Amino acid sequence: AQSVTQPDIHITVSEGASLELRCNYSYGATPYLFWYVQSPGQGLQLLLKYFSGDTLVQGIKGFEAEFKRSQSSFNLRKPSVHWSDAAEYFCAVGRMDSSHKLIFGSGTRLLVRP
Amino acid sequence: DGGITQSPKYLFRKEGQNVTLSCEQNLNHDAMYWYRQDPGQGLRLIYYSQIVNDFQKGDIAEGYSVSREKKESFPLTVTSAQKNPTAFYLCASSIAGTSRTDTQYFGPGTRLTVL
Repeated sequence: AQSVTQPDIHITVSEGASLELRCNYSYGATPYLFWYVQSPGQGLQLLLKYFSGDTLVQGIKGFEAEFKRSQSSFNLRKPSVHWSDAAEYFCAVGRMDSSHKLIFGSGTRLLVRP
Repeated sequence: DGGITQSPKYLFRKEGQNVTLSCEQNLNHDAMYWYRQDPGQGLRLIYYSQIVNDFQKGDIAEGYSVSREKKESFPLTVTSAQKNPTAFYLCASSIAGTSRTDTQYFGPGTRLTVL
């Protein structure tokens, strides 16, 4: 069965430091991958998505993610974190069955130290 | 502005009562979805609809019901049969829902608390 794993429940970084959030998926074919961000008490906002082509994907708010097939990973990165980036981040994969629905990871909460 | 609205933002319910959560979108999207979010967990799919007057159960449909009488509206009813309804409920929509590349756009959510 398809699954998405975000191994880090919480991550704390200092403002201005670089960030990498991990996401691993299990999927036989080329996955369709997404990263969403959720501010407290809010809905989810799409940061970026990968369907095919260049394995380095640029998103909004200065985020990027790299698809690595050999590692079944789609890690999210940002070179310099801002205090406003504190939120919860969700990785998701499109299902390969006819439903075409999303399977979400359990999320990583990012805390930013001033 | 185009988007998805959910109301109310906070909802309190007594045990044994049914309650309906509203979701409206003006994006002209065909597909709509309901998710449940619990602390420390990802989103779990309750129901989805790819077209008016049709909907399908998701992974955790027991104790919930939906209707899709209009393209822009997809209300969710949490029934008394739902054993643990306290959660954050998110509605989403996508253009067609027939492709894995469809991007889902989310509303702001409704927090339901059962007293």
